[in-house]
Amino acid sequence: DIQMTQSPSSLSASVGDRVTIACRASQPIHNFLNWYQQKPGKAPKLLIYTASTLQSEAPSRFAGSGSGTDFTLTISSLQPEDFATYYCQQSYGPPYTFGQGTNLEIK
Amino acid sequence: EVQLVESGGGLVKPGGSLRLSCVASGFTFSNYNMNWVRQAPGKGLEWVSSVTRSSLYIYYADSVKGRFTISRDDAKNSLYLQMDSLRAEDTAVYYCVPGFWDSWGQGTLVAVSS
Repeated sequence: DIQMTQSPSSLSASVGDRVTIACRASQPIHNFLNWYQQKPGKAPKLLIYTASTLQSEAPSRFAGSGSGTDFTLTISSLQPEDFATYYCQQSYGPPYTFGQGTNLEIK
Repeated sequence: EVQLVESGGGLVKPGGSLRLSCVASGFTFSNYNMNWVRQAPGKGLEWVSSVTRSSLYIYYADSVKGRFTISRDDAKNSLYLQMDSLRAEDTAVYYCVPGFWDSWGQGTLVAVSS
């Protein structure tokens, strides 16, 4: 099975900051990588698919990059509504494993 | 607009059974693989099971293999998860997610406790 490792597991930042979250796959997955945002009590929302394609409703301050085993999610200028938990997921093949999550908190 | 409505969750004793259902609308259900994903209270996301188009292939997480059965009824635009031999660690919100991954239902809560 492919293991997905996110870092950091938690992050404190301020409105306006640029933040980066990393995700590493235990074996190459080409660009079959999704990023989700989840707020408390809500279902996850897909932000980015195929590593770098912005989902139609996601703000342009979110960007994804990477291929193979190493991927990043960057938020260019944090907004108050961005404080949430972020997950990566490989969609290369089942089991469709998720990273453990990154909790983005207000500093 | 894609909609996914899960149901069937509830409180069950260890060793018991539940059957989850998901009714989908807003897309051609039969054209897509379907998945169940769960989230235990305060924990991360865990993929549970997938069924491909026409039920050609079925996959399970090791944690549920032999206890859970996924199925679909394309005529009813519905996905199911039969959960048997339930354990406390199966307590979670269960989400039905199509294979394009960009639409999630509200989830249904399964609580396994004596």
